[in-house]
Amino acid sequence: SAVISQKPSRDICQRGTSLTIQCQVDSQVTMMFWYRQQPGQSLTLIATANQGSEATYESGFVIDKFPISRPNLTFSTLTVSNMSPEDSSIYLCSVTSGETQYFGPGTRLLVL
Amino acid sequence: EDKVVQSPLSLVVHEGDTVTLNCSYEVTNFRSLLWYKQEKKAPTFLFMLTSSGIEKKSGRLSSILDKKELFSILNITATQTGDSAVYLCAAQTSGSRLTFGEGTQLTVNP
Repeated sequence: SAVISQKPSRDICQRGTSLTIQCQVDSQVTMMFWYRQQPGQSLTLIATANQGSEATYESGFVIDKFPISRPNLTFSTLTVSNMSPEDSSIYLCSVTSGETQYFGPGTRLLVL
Repeated sequence: EDKVVQSPLSLVVHEGDTVTLNCSYEVTNFRSLLWYKQEKKAPTFLFMLTSSGIEKKSGRLSSILDKKELFSILNITATQTGDSAVYLCAAQTSGSRLTFGEGTQLTVNP
């Protein structure tokens, strides 16, 4: 399995600001994903972070709101832009290792 | 639209009880069914199932997949308070995308 770290682990932000979340993996992986888990709900896929090309976004998520970078096979960032209280969630990155998908520790975001 | 449904949504048992958690799915380009345990933030991987009828087992936990009925169950025997968590199932489709169910909140009381 892969070891995944995320920074920051948590943050409190003011509405209208942006936050960039980093995801680092201890080995090169092909697939990296970003998920959101709103309070009391399950995980929803935001996008697939593609190395060397634009991310692939799921329905309901757009690049202007959630820009993603994937400069290499071990690192990705997700930015939550122009935040509102509705963006308060846990944001998780995940990677595939073999056929299985593993999750990072998550970033707990509170927007005031 | 891909859909995963878990039941029950919530379950309270006493230590030593056996529980069965259910997961049904309707997805396009199904590849596998995954079970996770979530206690605080990060879901922890439990099982990945790709073939029907083959039970996967890890200690007191076991799981099986029925690809004809589009269904999976997760069994936990001799439950302990440490088993208290949200159990998530997810269907993996093409491109390794995961569609998650709502989760089952399991509470094991001493």
